[in-house]
Amino acid sequence: GAGVSQSPRYKVTKRGQDVALRCDPISGHVSLYWYRQALGQGPEFLTYFNYEAQQDKSGLPNDRFSAERPEGSISTLTIQRTEQRDSAMYRCASSPLRDLNYGYTFGSGTRLTVV
Amino acid sequence: KNQVEQSPQSLIILEGKNCTLQCNYTVSPFSNLRWYKQDTGRGPVSLTIMTFSENTKSNGRYTATLDADTKQSSLHITASQLSDSASYICVVTRTSNDYKLSFGAGTTVTVRA
Repeated sequence: GAGVSQSPRYKVTKRGQDVALRCDPISGHVSLYWYRQALGQGPEFLTYFNYEAQQDKSGLPNDRFSAERPEGSISTLTIQRTEQRDSAMYRCASSPLRDLNYGYTFGSGTRLTVV
Repeated sequence: KNQVEQSPQSLIILEGKNCTLQCNYTVSPFSNLRWYKQDTGRGPVSLTIMTFSENTKSNGRYTATLDADTKQSSLHITASQLSDSASYICVVTRTSNDYKLSFGAGTTVTVRA
């Protein structure tokens, strides 16, 4: 697509439920990054993929968070047993090459609210 | 501890005035530094990107400077407009193969008529 697409735009879920957030990167982009941004704070790196391989998941807060990119394109970030502290804007970004000097494009994000 | 610190946290300026935002970083080794503008409810949009060898770069009314020795960058907005109201985020990357982006917390700029 023309840009990085994320869905849903907004998600309200009850505490304890699982949620799956989707990121559709720019076609052909090799690298895909997930990060989240709490209200009034700067972004926080979560995890990163090159093609289908998850390169680093050290930014994931705990084992309730997982991400996959099985075919090297669309990625899903899953949060199990959601908690209120998970509420944030979740964004992804993609870049055409592993070298970030070639630039990356951010998606508009999914606003997650856990009630 | 965040490796990218931005200041001020927020500022309010009158339309037509200039302002300067600061970004100090400790990320090392340094590859490049980018300034992004993030409108409310939107994803960040790139304004400038600078490598260690670049001292200044402009994009319209936005001018970014970089001092790689002191690890400081600034973003200067000239003749501010109401549409400049947004958060401005400084993002630093290490070596060219480093993927772990280091974000500043951002500076929220409000331009008033």
